[in-house]
Amino acid sequence: KAGVTQTPRYLIKTRGQQVTLSCSPISGHRSVSWYQQTPGQGLQFLFEYFSETQRNKGNFPGRFSGRQFSNSRSEMNVSTLELGDSALYLCASSPSASGEPTDTQYFGPGTRLTVL
Amino acid sequence: AQSVTQLGSHVSVSEGALVLLRCNYSSSVPPYLFWYVQYPNQGLQLLLKYTTGATLVKGINGFEAEFKKSETSFHLTKPSAHMSDAAEYFCAVKAAGNKLTFGGGTRVLVKP
Repeated sequence: KAGVTQTPRYLIKTRGQQVTLSCSPISGHRSVSWYQQTPGQGLQFLFEYFSETQRNKGNFPGRFSGRQFSNSRSEMNVSTLELGDSALYLCASSPSASGEPTDTQYFGPGTRLTVL
Repeated sequence: AQSVTQLGSHVSVSEGALVLLRCNYSSSVPPYLFWYVQYPNQGLQLLLKYTTGATLVKGINGFEAEFKKSETSFHLTKPSAHMSDAAEYFCAVKAAGNKLTFGGGTRVLVKP
């Protein structure tokens, strides 16, 4: 089975712009979660989508949003980019419909976003 | 709310020596615990996880971890370090749902 794929792998934007990142989960996985990784704040949970609905949300401003399509692919969008949004954005998928804490999340390689 | 503390942001070990990475957690409910590894310019790969049952958990690449409820710990060990173990390691906890809460990470350097 192919793993989680994320596109693009690298992205450079300027302050004030918006950006859309894409994630394709492992085939058959219906839950997709997004995480932000920065040197200062570490790994932080952004949100989780299941069956096109946001099931869980972290503590990020409304500039960060996401969606999930009927084929389970997910996108996240960041509007009005700030320098502090520079980070590695990781997507993870898991197979469970119930979202149990025992579920394993499988991570993609990430998209590295640089905001200038 | 849950939290994870990893003691030591950097650890240096000699090839062939024991690798010990410390993880302590705080959780108001029985926790589910995970160790992930991240190689440069890559995502996270699951090493092992504890859900219920046996408290000594074996994972991939010769790693294992022991859940100790009384000490709220889930330390990761490997008897003999290999050069390929150089990476960053993250301990994580889930209490409910699918949200992982991560520790700050420990970067492992392996000296020849």
